[in-house]
Amino acid sequence: GEDVEQSLFLSVREGDSSVINCTYTDSSSTYLYWYKQEPGAGLQLLTYIFSNMDMKQDQRLTVLLNKKDKHLSLRIADTQTGDSAIYFCAEIYGGSQGNLIFGKGTKLSVKP
Amino acid sequence: ETGVTQTPRHLVMGMTNKKSLKCEQHLGHNAMYWYKQSAKKPLELMFVYSLEERVENNSVPSRFSPECPNSSHLFLHLHTLQPEDSALYLCASSPDGAWEQFFGPGTRLTVL
Repeated sequence: GEDVEQSLFLSVREGDSSVINCTYTDSSSTYLYWYKQEPGAGLQLLTYIFSNMDMKQDQRLTVLLNKKDKHLSLRIADTQTGDSAIYFCAEIYGGSQGNLIFGKGTKLSVKP
Repeated sequence: ETGVTQTPRHLVMGMTNKKSLKCEQHLGHNAMYWYKQSAKKPLELMFVYSLEERVENNSVPSRFSPECPNSSHLFLHLHTLQPEDSALYLCASSPDGAWEQFFGPGTRLTVL
């Protein structure tokens, strides 16, 4: 079946860049998403990228998409302690609105 | 109140109890979703409603029963649950035909 894979943990120092990686399987995915979940909160949509794009930049966030390898990454520049959270990669499965497939999430820990 | 709200935020129930989770959105969206997030699995889509009609049911056990009385409200009725049903249940909404989903804070359910 369709699958989204992420590494489970990432630890960085404050001020460094963080790179969270994700691989997906559905080649027909039209949108790919990054969600952030802080403790006690619901998922917050951070950013998304359309499948005909290679890169999208939004302030400190840079999303890179390699469609050939089905690889998605999220880079956070100048990582702050407030960026500590779980980051979920998600793809639209089968082109159907609403059928999002999520990875298990990468827990980002930012150390002072 | 704006956004997507969920009540209760925390729920503890026995296996013989009947309870309901409530989701409400004030965004004017007409598609709503139930997701399950457990520690051992990626986020799972349970139900999708579009214009108050169920359009997706991902083989969810019948002990979970959704109800969408109008486009602003979504319920998840629970009965005879199992301990493995303990998880965070997330509600989301989106404009019909749009890709972006907005999530509520979730209900943390514990089944004893």
